Amino acid sequence: DQQVKQNSPSLSVQEGRISILNCDYTNSMFDYFLWYKKYPAEGPTFLISISSIKDKNEDGRFTVFLNKSAKHLSLHIVPSQPGDSAVYFCAAPLQTGANNLFFGTGTRLTVIP
Amino acid sequence: KAGVTQTPRYLIKTRGQQVTLSCSPISGHRSVSWYQQTPGQGLQFLFEYFSETQRNKGNFPGRFSGRQFSNSRSEMNVSTLELGDSALYLCASSLDLQGYTQYFGPGTRLTVL
Repeated sequence: DQQVKQNSPSLSVQEGRISILNCDYTNSMFDYFLWYKKYPAEGPTFLISISSIKDKNEDGRFTVFLNKSAKHLSLHIVPSQPGDSAVYFCAAPLQTGANNLFFGTGTRLTVIP
Repeated sequence: KAGVTQTPRYLIKTRGQQVTLSCSPISGHRSVSWYQQTPGQGLQFLFEYFSETQRNKGNFPGRFSGRQFSNSRSEMNVSTLELGDSALYLCASSLDLQGYTQYFGPGTRLTVL
């Protein structure tokens, strides 16, 4: 049962433009969401998170938006840089206070110079 | 501060054998989680340990087991290996149970022949 879904396996964006990565979830019990970035042969790296009591969280070039009614979140990267090319995963812990994350299937972002 | 380390980085085994993977968390981190990444199933939670106790377990057969030592280092064991166990095994550590931000190691690439 894929409780966290990323329906776009890949995305290509020109350098300097906005990258928007999307994620949908089915479990209404999720109350915290995270985005991770993964380069080949490395473990995922934490990017940004958002609590369900918020609808937006910003950190530099990265902004995450949460729409609870639609069970949808998105990651915006502005401006996109070639070094952002990686696989991006959204994730949610199954239980509050636990560290067992459900991961989406990932979206491969390619930023074209 | 050193990151999460995993040993070995690469491993080749044959069906029916068993394997033990090791993870050293970031100094001071008490929670260690294990994940399996495969092309077909993506990133899936295996189990989580905190203070030497297994706190959560994912939907994997009993052939997958783990433990945590008093210094927070963790090992996972897979017995009677099957071809489908070929995967990247990732370990993640966090400060405590409330530490949603998990920091991942580089992973151990297991190939079962």
